[in-house]
Amino acid sequence: EDKVVQSPLSLVVHEGDTVTLNCSYEVTNFRSLLWYKQEKKAPTFLFMLTSSGIEKKSGRLSSILDKKELFSILNITATQTGDSAVYLCAVETPGGKLYGGATNKLIFGTGTLLAVQP
Amino acid sequence: GAGVSQSPSNKVTEKGKDVELRCDPISGHTALYWYRQSLGQGLEFLIYFQGNSAPDKSGLPSDRFSAERTGGSVSTLTIQRTQQEDSAVYLCASSLGRGVSGRASNEQFFGPGTRLTVL
Repeated sequence: EDKVVQSPLSLVVHEGDTVTLNCSYEVTNFRSLLWYKQEKKAPTFLFMLTSSGIEKKSGRLSSILDKKELFSILNITATQTGDSAVYLCAVETPGGKLYGGATNKLIFGTGTLLAVQP
Repeated sequence: GAGVSQSPSNKVTEKGKDVELRCDPISGHTALYWYRQSLGQGLEFLIYFQGNSAPDKSGLPSDRFSAERTGGSVSTLTIQRTQQEDSAVYLCASSLGRGVSGRASNEQFFGPGTRLTVL
């Protein structure tokens, strides 16, 4: 069964700290790995990773994928209280049998709850 | 607005009643997804529509759950004979669907969700 596992489940840090969130996966067919930030109800997209070893960066956030060891990390440097959220990792995998397998679905981990204290 | 919208935002119902949840995807997005997020759990895939083709229903937890998408746009998720374990936030997302290369473009844009409470 395809699965995505995130760790830690929750994390409390102080402003200015650097955090590393982990995501490991076991899927039959891997297409890409995605990170989302969920503050209230709707997750917002952060990164999509498809190749190993290529770091994606956006401001204080960065992420990298290791397809050999089947994991990804999300780093946040100089954390701020506005970074407090649930960070979700998802793996894209082929879904139904349409278009010769060109469809896709996302399998999500349970998320990491990050709390940044002032 | 240009985002995904869902209605209602909150729904409280009694066990055994049927409920309908609505999703309006971003205009031009051919792919539409329904997810469920129970308290303390990750997002659980329910169903996926691509254009006018038959949906991928592999995530629906039971035959009490069904969904349709009319005219390739608005989607309705129906839960019949609701149970307390159906209580969750139901999220809808849309994406562009198949890109120029034929491969699905997967950046999904999420709606605000519907919080369903079954008493």
